[in-house]
Amino acid sequence: DVKVTQSSRYLVKRTGEKVFLECVQDMDHENMFWYRQDPGLGLRLIYFSYDVKMKEKGDIPEGYSVSREKKERFSLILESASTNQTSMYLCASSRPIGGNTEAFFGQGTRLTVV
Amino acid sequence: RKEVEQDPGPFNVPEGATVAFNCTYSNSASQSFFWYRQDCRKEPKLLMSVYSSGNEDGRFTAQLNRASQYISLLIRDSKLSDSATYLCVVGGYNKLIFGAGTRLAVHP
Repeated sequence: DVKVTQSSRYLVKRTGEKVFLECVQDMDHENMFWYRQDPGLGLRLIYFSYDVKMKEKGDIPEGYSVSREKKERFSLILESASTNQTSMYLCASSRPIGGNTEAFFGQGTRLTVV
Repeated sequence: RKEVEQDPGPFNVPEGATVAFNCTYSNSASQSFFWYRQDCRKEPKLLMSVYSSGNEDGRFTAQLNRASQYISLLIRDSKLSDSATYLCVVGGYNKLIFGAGTRLAVHP
């Protein structure tokens, strides 16, 4: 059974803290993605990676960074958490994008910044 | 302008109804197209890929119009279990862009 695992389901952090969200996939997928999901805005792409040590900015990268040191792991870092980063964070992985590519998602991390 | 746009709904339909969702995308270089389904408090899951020739999976039919840059999903004979949010997804250059989703509520 394919699996994308996010390290935490719920997190509460203080403003200004450095926050690490971890994601691990066991499908040997090349692509990994970080999205945030907010009511009325849907899933917005923060960063994605198509190979180890490669990363590309998505639509809303400000205030975030990522790390992909190993193929199976993609980390999202909030350098200095702010209240407007309170959101649901979803990690996904996939093969290279083509006509029949399926992206598999983790169960999400609900982050609250207070 | 958003890269992928959908009517947020909600669409409230009775069981057995036929319902159609549309989605438009702005990047004409997009290469891959999908519909995902997301249940409340769950992660999105692939419903079906969308091909230029159109494709069908049981009660679900997806169409792609590249010239007009829109994608559609038709659900026939709606079931209570079809209640969910349907996400239009466009892919290209190794990234996937999601629409904000269309909420469907099927009632008895």
